[in-house]
Amino acid sequence: QSVLTQPPSVSGAPGQRVTISCTGNSSNIGAGYDVHWYQQSPGTAPKLLIYGNNNRPSGVPDRFSGSKSGTSASLAISDLQADNEADYYCQSFDRNLHHWVFGGGTKVTVL
Amino acid sequence: EVQVLESGGGLVQPGGSLRLSCAASGFRFSNFAMSWVRQAPGKGLELVSGIHDDGLGTYYADSVKGRFTISRDNSKDTLFLQMNSLRAEDTAVYYCVKQDGDPYYNYCMDVWGKGTTVTVSS
Repeated sequence: QSVLTQPPSVSGAPGQRVTISCTGNSSNIGAGYDVHWYQQSPGTAPKLLIYGNNNRPSGVPDRFSGSKSGTSASLAISDLQADNEADYYCQSFDRNLHHWVFGGGTKVTVL
Repeated sequence: EVQVLESGGGLVQPGGSLRLSCAASGFRFSNFAMSWVRQAPGKGLELVSGIHDDGLGTYYADSVKGRFTISRDNSKDTLFLQMNSLRAEDTAVYYCVKQDGDPYYNYCMDVWGKGTTVTVSS
C-alpha cells in the first residue's frame, strides 16, 4: 500500500489529453511538500519528468504539465503520442515517515 | 555528461550478502545527497536508503533497516550499499539516484542509473 495513491491505469487516443492523479494527505502533499513526477518507459530506468510541482527539466516537452492543490497533485499529458506509453510515478516527502515516498504508479496506454 | 553507473548485482542465496557500488561522473558528487531505489519484478518504486552529501546522515526503509548499510566515498565519487541477510523479497532492480533541490524535503531524483539486478534465490 503506497503512501501516495495513483490510479493503476489511464488510457487515451492519440492526440487526446489524459491526467493522472496523485492523492496524499496532511503529512505529505497537504503539508506543502513539492511533488515530482517520473516516467518509466518499458525496460528502462525512471526519468525525471516534472519537479517542484510544475517545472520541466530541459528536454521535456511542454505537453507534460504538473499541478498541485491541497492534498493532491496531477500530471497532464496533452496531445498524447504513442511513445508516451509508460508508467508514471509521483513522489513527495512525508513528515511522519521522515523520508521521500512514491505513488504506486500509473500505466498510460495509448489506444 | 552527468551519469551514475551501478555494479555488483547478481544471484545470491537467502541469508547471503552483496555489495552494490555506484560510480558517479559529470557532477560534484560531494555536493549531493544520494539514494538507492529498488523495483521488484512487476512492482513499483521503493526508496531503500539514502545518504546526505557529507555522509553523516542516513535513512533506511523499514524493510531493510538493520540489514542494509549505505555509505559513500566522496574522494572516489562512489556510493555503496552493503546488503546482508538477504531475503527473497529483496529481489529487485536497484537504482542509484542523485538527489537535488532545496531544502532537503523537496529533493527530487534527477539522475538515475540503468540499475543492477539482485536476485535472492536458492
